[in-house]
Amino acid sequence: DSGVTQTPKHLITATGQRVTLRCSPRSGDLSVYWYQQSLDQGLQFLIQYYNGEERAKGNILERFSAQQFPDLHSELNLSSLELGDSALYFCASSVDNSFPFFGPGTRLTVL
Amino acid sequence: DAKTTQPPSMDCAEGRAANLPCNHSTISGNEYVYWYRQIHSQGPQYIIHGLKNNETNEMASLIITEDRKSSTLILPHATLRDTAVYYCIVRVTTSGTYKYIFGTGTRLKVLA
Repeated sequence: DSGVTQTPKHLITATGQRVTLRCSPRSGDLSVYWYQQSLDQGLQFLIQYYNGEERAKGNILERFSAQQFPDLHSELNLSSLELGDSALYFCASSVDNSFPFFGPGTRLTVL
Repeated sequence: DAKTTQPPSMDCAEGRAANLPCNHSTISGNEYVYWYRQIHSQGPQYIIHGLKNNETNEMASLIITEDRKSSTLILPHATLRDTAVYYCIVRVTTSGTYKYIFGTGTRLKVLA
């Protein structure tokens, strides 16, 4: 158990819908990262937040957005969902720039 | 894009050492090498990291060549539970921020 929690574990929805994935970092960690893992693309870095501020952006689509709240939990919002958005979404957290600990992931299925 | 190249798959006999190679020929002088592994579809698990010296912890050893263009992760006595995808990552610095960019990894299968 890494100490990073993600909810929900599984999510099934339809194309065109919007979903929110939630992440609670380890106690004391200020950095939160989001990654997407689909079958054909491996682990893709999406975005990183540090203490509420966006710090780095990766291959995040415009339909996706994230934020980190004052209590340091983070949410990843995915809208206008497409079949290709079906994937595992991982959240990770770290102290400052130390190596991140990953959560168990949320499996999103878009039908 | 990932700065590392790894073989797609490897087999190792249980109880033997597993040596997983990684090429990172474009690594910069201050960039660290990290190793993670992912068992089934679980979240990736940190294993070890290093800059230029060899490193060892309770899980593995990391050997980095003197020119830092490649490294090897060594699992000294592989068990069936070590079957996983192993990722070699170069931590990239961009505008003062570290990014951990995963490549395609090596799928290690430990055989009984």
